[in-house]
Amino acid sequence: DGGITQSPKYLFRKEGQNVTLSCEQNLNHDAMYWYRQDPGQGLRLIYYSQIVNDFQKGDIAEGYSVSREKKESFPLTVTSAQKNPTAFYLCASSIDGLGTQETQYFGPGTRLLVL
Amino acid sequence: QKEVEQDPGPLSVPEGAIVSLNCTYSNSAFQYFMWYRQYSRKGPELLMYTYSSGNKEDGRFTAQVDKSSKYISLFIRDSQPSDSATYLCAMSEQTSGSRLTFGEGTQLTVNP
Repeated sequence: DGGITQSPKYLFRKEGQNVTLSCEQNLNHDAMYWYRQDPGQGLRLIYYSQIVNDFQKGDIAEGYSVSREKKESFPLTVTSAQKNPTAFYLCASSIDGLGTQETQYFGPGTRLLVL
Repeated sequence: QKEVEQDPGPLSVPEGAIVSLNCTYSNSAFQYFMWYRQYSRKGPELLMYTYSSGNKEDGRFTAQVDKSSKYISLFIRDSQPSDSATYLCAMSEQTSGSRLTFGEGTQLTVNP
């Protein structure tokens, strides 16, 4: 089955700890995205990558980092600099992020909680 | 002020009702309009996609775009309990590639 997988489903972070959220896709999509979803705020873009070995900051990149070493993988690290990390994190992909408009397909999400 | 405004609800209707969900926006450059459905604790799934103004129908779902009023709607006919979810509108500009701007979502409950 083609799709996007995110792991883990739930993640707990201690104060001062960095944690990494996994996102993998087997859709052969070039572009991948990370969003954060909070109640009352909708989805906000953290980082996106239109091609391997390249990525751009979204609207709320502070306290986060990403890498894109492989086409199918786009991990997100929530660093200790992110002071309010509790949220639902969604990964998405689209065929070609450089196109006029491409539909985005979402993974099942990872819920991050701070202990 | 947010670029995209969407009433968060919650909206509760009886089974079989016609549901109207709406978003307004301020950016006149938006050209592509989408509706996503998100079940609790799941990722959003694309329901409808329209370009510029006009209507698009898919089964029980109809999407409308009125660019002159900067207003989009999603209608659900013969609503079912399985339609209970949060509905997110999203839109993008011609030149922004795939960057989407989302509304905050409307929570819908269809009661049997």
